[in-house]
Amino acid sequence: KNEVEQSPQNLTAQEGEFITINCSYSVGISALHWLQQHPGGGIVSLFMLSSGKKKHGRLIATINIQEKHSSLHITASHPRDSAVYICAVYDLNYGGSQGNLIFGKGTKLSVKP
Amino acid sequence: DVKVTQSSRYLVKRTGEKVFLECVQDMDHENMFWYRQDPGLGLRLIYFSYDVKMKEKGDIPEGYSVSREKKERFSLILESASTNQTSMYLCATLTGGGNTIYFGEGSWLTVV
Repeated sequence: KNEVEQSPQNLTAQEGEFITINCSYSVGISALHWLQQHPGGGIVSLFMLSSGKKKHGRLIATINIQEKHSSLHITASHPRDSAVYICAVYDLNYGGSQGNLIFGKGTKLSVKP
Repeated sequence: DVKVTQSSRYLVKRTGEKVFLECVQDMDHENMFWYRQDPGLGLRLIYFSYDVKMKEKGDIPEGYSVSREKKERFSLILESASTNQTSMYLCATLTGGGNTIYFGEGSWLTVV
């Protein structure tokens, strides 16, 4: 399934830079998640969006429902931001009767000091 | 603090062995999922369950089965492990409507 496309696949930045990761999707959704995965495996949810914009510390996530596009921004990036960032959309028509998540393949971010 | 606990972080099993991966959640969520994650392929859905004793196949169920006898526990079973099942396995719970998702720490399985 290529319903969720992320770009770029890999991103290297210098500490302090402003970073943008993009996510485009082709299905109708009720929610979009941005997830973070550090080396070692565990995945945590950063944001859930159904419209508009959310901000948490140096992270900002936006979604444009009409254009089926979302962006994750990191301001003043830091080496501890190095991780894989995954976009996931909740599609009510995928999987069982309650819908299911469809994941992008992730963006690997490396922030150099 | 919300918790999804996977019982084994690292396992090494031999080809043909039966493997059990356990997942326990403490949030009383109905929806539970098993994924595998491989480089370049992202997260792929193996099985999911919306309720006790209920299970549905995901995109890649071949070679796997699941059990959900209690609401808080969702087990993934590899009946006869094969080398192509070497992967990282993740358990997750999801609230209704897809609003909140919680993942376990992951189980790294190597089949030799």
